[in-house]
Amino acid sequence: GENVEQHPSTLSVQEGDSAVIKCTYSDSASNYFPWYKQELGKGPQLIIDIRSNVGEKKDQRIAVTLNKTAKHFSLHITETQPEDSAVYFCAASIERGRGAQKLVFGQGTRLTINP
Amino acid sequence: KAGVTQTPRYLIKTRGQQVTLSCSPISGHRSVSWYQQTPGQGLQFLFEYFSETQRNKGNFPGRFSGRQFSNSRSEMNVSTLELGDSALYLCASSYAVMGTEAFFGQGTRLTVV
Repeated sequence: GENVEQHPSTLSVQEGDSAVIKCTYSDSASNYFPWYKQELGKGPQLIIDIRSNVGEKKDQRIAVTLNKTAKHFSLHITETQPEDSAVYFCAASIERGRGAQKLVFGQGTRLTINP
Repeated sequence: KAGVTQTPRYLIKTRGQQVTLSCSPISGHRSVSWYQQTPGQGLQFLFEYFSETQRNKGNFPGRFSGRQFSNSRSEMNVSTLELGDSALYLCASSYAVMGTEAFFGQGTRLTVV
């Protein structure tokens, strides 16, 4: 069945350093990989996503890479800031016609940025 | 543009009762998905609706049901509540015609006592 594994479960970095979170998915048909940031008391916020026809995507300090062969994808945050502290979730989905969707989430990574 | 709105934000129910949660998607979005979030199980998919039809269903018992109205608003119902149903219930909306980006509401925190 579909499964997404996410590592590490907790990550602590110094402000200004980089943070990397890694995910592995099981269903080779997965073709859409979003990342969400969840702050305390809020719902998950979509921060970046990548589709399987792309190997890398960048948005300011955030980048995501995808290795379809290995079924790995990673989130990279550079020049971390205190406001980056949150729980981050990766997810995988199979995009079908008209956007039929079922997101399978990783277990989450609690990222703490130390000032 | 208003985001996804979920009501109520908090609920306390007794075992055996039933509960109905509501979700209003982003204007123009036609797909609504529901997820259960717990510390132990993480985020788990419940079901997805598009144009009033359930298109996908997760591995939850039949006590969990939902529906979508013609204006795309959705409701989720849980009958015969159990202590283990205590969770944050999240609704996500998606345009679902071009692209699959899903945007979440703030959730409904359900506590079963």
